[in-house]
Amino acid sequence: QKEVEQNSGPLSVPEGAIASLNCTYSDRGSQSFFWYRQYSGKSPELIMFIYSNGDKEDGRFTAQLNKASQYVSLLIRDSQPSDSATYLCAFEDSSYKLIFGSGTRLLVRP
Amino acid sequence: AAGVIQSPRHLIKEKRETATLKCYPIPRHDTVYWYQQGPGQDPQFLISFYEKMQSDKGSIPDRFSAQQFSDYHSELNMSSLELGDSALYFCASSLKVTGNGYTFGSGTRLTVV
Repeated sequence: QKEVEQNSGPLSVPEGAIASLNCTYSDRGSQSFFWYRQYSGKSPELIMFIYSNGDKEDGRFTAQLNKASQYVSLLIRDSQPSDSATYLCAFEDSSYKLIFGSGTRLLVRP
Repeated sequence: AAGVIQSPRHLIKEKRETATLKCYPIPRHDTVYWYQQGPGQDPQFLISFYEKMQSDKGSIPDRFSAQQFSDYHSELNMSSLELGDSALYFCASSLKVTGNGYTFGSGTRLTVV
């Protein structure tokens, strides 16, 4: 079992809708969680990070963390075609390196 | 704002050749990470350096080596290249104490033919 599990998608949503991306992780000791966006052939770009249980909002993005369920999610409100990309979930392990999931491909239909 | 600089952007090598990838981290960042990403795959951790010392090692083949220099730039040396080494190689840097994740460079696309 991978340390970080994500549905590979593609997740297809219409423009203006809410896109919900989910991620589960296996390391109960994990404290820091990250969402990166990656366009094809480009480098990952940090979208959000979250440390505490609950929600964290930044513009159209909301990260949600539930440590008891070992679950982290990313909501994208008012989805735009430019949001179409692969979204990588990651956690920071005990040696401070990021462990990535395989990513969820999001497709926002105009 | 300064970003993580990687060079070259693209590199084509033949099997059994050697390649050197360079990474210049964001100024004042104390940690450098190297990742390999194959087509359709997630980034795989190779190796990291903290304050110029190797801090962690992942799935890095013995044919690969890396180091961080006094000016904090890092180089990934890859020898006896194989077709399967063709991938995107990302360098990332961070300031460990902040715990705010890290910033990736634009990557080097290595093609082994």
